[in-house]
Amino acid sequence: DAGVIQSPRHEVTEMGQEVTLRCKLISGHNSLFWYRQTMMRGLELLIYFNNNVPIDDSGMPEDRFSAKMPNASFSTLKIQPSEPRDSAVYFCASSIQGGDTEAFFGQGTRLTVV
Amino acid sequence: GENVEQHPSTLSVQEGDSAVIKCTYSDSASNYFPWYKQELGKRPQLIIDIRSNVGEKKDQRIAVTLNKTAKHFSLHITETQPEDSAVYFCAASTSKDGNKLVFGAGTILRVKS
Repeated sequence: DAGVIQSPRHEVTEMGQEVTLRCKLISGHNSLFWYRQTMMRGLELLIYFNNNVPIDDSGMPEDRFSAKMPNASFSTLKIQPSEPRDSAVYFCASSIQGGDTEAFFGQGTRLTVV
Repeated sequence: GENVEQHPSTLSVQEGDSAVIKCTYSDSASNYFPWYKQELGKRPQLIIDIRSNVGEKKDQRIAVTLNKTAKHFSLHITETQPEDSAVYFCAASTSKDGNKLVFGAGTILRVKS
């Protein structure tokens, strides 16, 4: 297995544009986490899913952020419209649901909004 | 919800010395405590984890201890080497919340040679 795969690796966009980040889970995993990493705020949990169902989205900063799991192996995080303060590295991670199993991270997407 | 606090935020040690990073958590239902290492520009990767039915776990130069009563856990690295320099994150998870995984703020460890 290639592990958790994120795309794109880097994204530079202008303020106001829509941004879509993508994540492919490890085969057989059924929990999916989206994190945002910045120097100031560390690794913030934005939202997580179990079996394609969003469990807790309390970390999503604003209505401009939305996340979906259209199927068991794929997720998207959308920002519309994007703002400069959204610039960060966004990670997704997947695991096997159970509360005590390793979460594997993707390589991350470095987003820059200018 | 769960809150994880981590100290110190930066730690500088001489090569060969030990390093200790401490974390506290708020939710007594948390039952899984992983530690991740993140090198510059890379993804976080698991280095060791401990479950709530165990008080201590060791893997070569790395050990983790858990005190459920006090709700704190610690990472111990012995005989530090320059390649141990990285950012270390503790985390806590509970199956009660469908395994919500919450991270501490991270510790920048520098090992001086």
